[in-house]
Amino acid sequence: EIVLTQSPGTLSLSPGERATLSCRASQSVSSSYLAWYQQKPGQAPRLLIYGASSRATGIPDRFSGSGSGTDFTLTISRLEPEDFAVYYCQQYGSSPPAFGQGTKLEIK
Amino acid sequence: QITLKESGPTLVKPTQTLTLTCTFSGFSLSTSGVGVGWIRQPPGKALEWLALIYWDDDKRYSPSLKSRLTITKDTSKNQVVLTMTNMDPVDTATYYCAHTKIQLPASDWGQGTLVTVSS
Repeated sequence: EIVLTQSPGTLSLSPGERATLSCRASQSVSSSYLAWYQQKPGQAPRLLIYGASSRATGIPDRFSGSGSGTDFTLTISRLEPEDFAVYYCQQYGSSPPAFGQGTKLEIK
Repeated sequence: QITLKESGPTLVKPTQTLTLTCTFSGFSLSTSGVGVGWIRQPPGKALEWLALIYWDDDKRYSPSLKSRLTITKDTSKNQVVLTMTNMDPVDTATYYCAHTKIQLPASDWGQGTLVTVSS
């Protein structure tokens, strides 16, 4: 069973800044089957990235994903006010498809 | 347009069995590669994957909850049902269902339903 560890737990930045979120897996993630979700209070998660680096439909290009094996990164190039939320990574290459514990991106 | 909606009780007593229904539209669970999964989120905590059923009736469960979970589908009604036995206050959470395809993550989610376990 793969365990995902996200860091940092909380990231405090200002609009316009660049955000870098990390997701580390306890074992290699099969075929880079790694996804990133954004969740705002009271809402369901929204898929941002799949296959480690492919943007889901309608996701702005300021969101990008990278990485392979056990180390993955979500980068938001220039933060917009609506980007402040909680972000989760998930591996779906092996069962169970576990989630990380989340990174809260808050306004500084 | 794909939509999913969870339904079921908002309050259950400890030791009772929870039955949740996911009713969906915009896709068919008889189409090759399609699946519907359940994920939950305790208040203020992280997402936890629970179970998944595919078009071919292949079923997957969280190892830690496998003994308590059953997932079934009714293709004619466009519904997926999750049952969880022996509910405990720690099972208090928002329960989501989500549409997925094989080798892809959950791309469409329901709004979630909050289930509270209390006597």
